Amino acid sequence: AQSVAQPEDQVNVAEGNPLTVKCTYSVSGNPYLFWYVQYPNRGLQFLLKYITGDNLVKGSYGFEAEFNKSQTSFHLKKPSALVSDSALYFCAVEPSGTYKYIFGTGTRLKVLA
Amino acid sequence: SQTIHQWPATLVQPVGSPLSLECTVEGTSNPNLYWYRQAAGRGLQLLFYSVGIGQISSEVPQNLSASRPQDRQFILSSKKLLLSDSGFYLCAWAGQGKAEQYFGPGTRLTVT
Repeated sequence: AQSVAQPEDQVNVAEGNPLTVKCTYSVSGNPYLFWYVQYPNRGLQFLLKYITGDNLVKGSYGFEAEFNKSQTSFHLKKPSALVSDSALYFCAVEPSGTYKYIFGTGTRLKVLA
Repeated sequence: SQTIHQWPATLVQPVGSPLSLECTVEGTSNPNLYWYRQAAGRGLQLLFYSVGIGQISSEVPQNLSASRPQDRQFILSSKKLLLSDSGFYLCAWAGQGKAEQYFGPGTRLTVT
C-alpha cells in the first residue's frame, strides 16, 4: 500500500536555529511531493512542491525542501526558525497522474523563544 | 487571483439532522475540487473529488455525499448526521493539469 510517513509527532527548536521536519514516502513511480502548513482552526497553506528538476526546492516564508530519490524522502528545512513558524506541517504525495494526495499524519513544530 | 470560500465556518447540529456544506471557487475555470475531513486536529482523509460538473468520485464509503451542480461549486451533504461525522471539513481546488491543491478556510462541524 502507498503511504507517507512523518515520523515525528512534534519537533521543538529554538528560535534562530535551523529546523528540519522529516517526510518519507512509499509510492511507486515518480510522485509529486508537497509541503503544507496549518495554523489552528485554519485551512492548509501551500508551502512548496517538487515535480522534477533540482533536488532542493525553495518555497514560501523561507522554507525549502530536499528531495532524495534513493531514500524516498522529502524533508522540509529552514535555516533560521521563527516563533511564528510554530504550526502543524503536512507532507503530501501525489502518485503521478492521479490528482489525489496521500497525506502524512502531520508534525507539530514548536519554535521556542 | 483565485479564492476559495467555505461556509458556514462553524456548525453545531444534532444527530439525525441533515447537513449541507458549501464550497465555491472564484477566478478559475473547470477546477478539480476536493472534500477532506480532518479529525482530532491531525490526519486528513479525502472524502470526495470531482474533475467536472456532475462527476464525483467517492473515496470512502460513509454517511456523506457530494454534488457539483456548477463548475465552481462543490457541496457536501448528509441526510442524517452521526456523532462520528464531527470534524473539520476542508474543501480544496486544483487547476486542470496542475498538481498543487489550494485549501479553503474550513468548516468546524460538531454533531451533538
